[in-house]
Amino acid sequence: DAKTTQPPSMDCAEGRAANLPCNHSTISGNEYVYWYRQIHSQGPQYIIHGLKNNETNEMASLIITEDRKSSTLILPHATLRDTAVYYCIVRLGSGNTGKLIFGQGTTLQVKP
Amino acid sequence: EAQVTQNPRYLITVTGKKLTVTCSQNMNHEYMSWYRQDPGLGLRQIYYSMNVEVTDKGDVPEGYKVSRKEKRNFPLILESPSPNQTSLYFCASSWGGGNSPLHFGNGTRLTVT
Repeated sequence: DAKTTQPPSMDCAEGRAANLPCNHSTISGNEYVYWYRQIHSQGPQYIIHGLKNNETNEMASLIITEDRKSSTLILPHATLRDTAVYYCIVRLGSGNTGKLIFGQGTTLQVKP
Repeated sequence: EAQVTQNPRYLITVTGKKLTVTCSQNMNHEYMSWYRQDPGLGLRQIYYSMNVEVTDKGDVPEGYKVSRKEKRNFPLILESPSPNQTSLYFCASSWGGGNSPLHFGNGTRLTVT
């Protein structure tokens, strides 16, 4: 199962873009990249996911490199409410899609 | 409203007293899974289920049991809880394919004394 590597913590100024990196150098061709975030001890919340192409939704943008070995989650205008732990994971598109490895994530601190 | 419901939210128990944490989803999802979260260790998968009567071990299954008799329910059973199972537990569900986001419950904080 592919694993991911994230920096343990990052800071971002309120109103600026937050760019959170994730390394998944052993990703296989049919594994999706997912991002979730967890605010305090609440249940993790889905943000965005993608396979090969860049994706954008109302919350964020996901940029996946051409070789798919890394990705970046972009929060375009970070607010104080975006302070959270962000998890990047990969998930098989078919077959044994059940086994998931979350890691420790990146703690993003948005500062005024 | 689509949701994953865990009960109870908080539970304090004593070593060796069997307990069950329930998880129910109303989205007809095939896939359900359990995680525990401990400081500095992130989310670790305990068990998962790809469908009714199909379960498999995650990374930390020791000391836990699960069952999936109905599609909507996936209870987590601690037959003989120990203090090292004190943790925050999350249940999640999704469609079976990998192109499907997880929906998480609000968590169960378990303390075993």
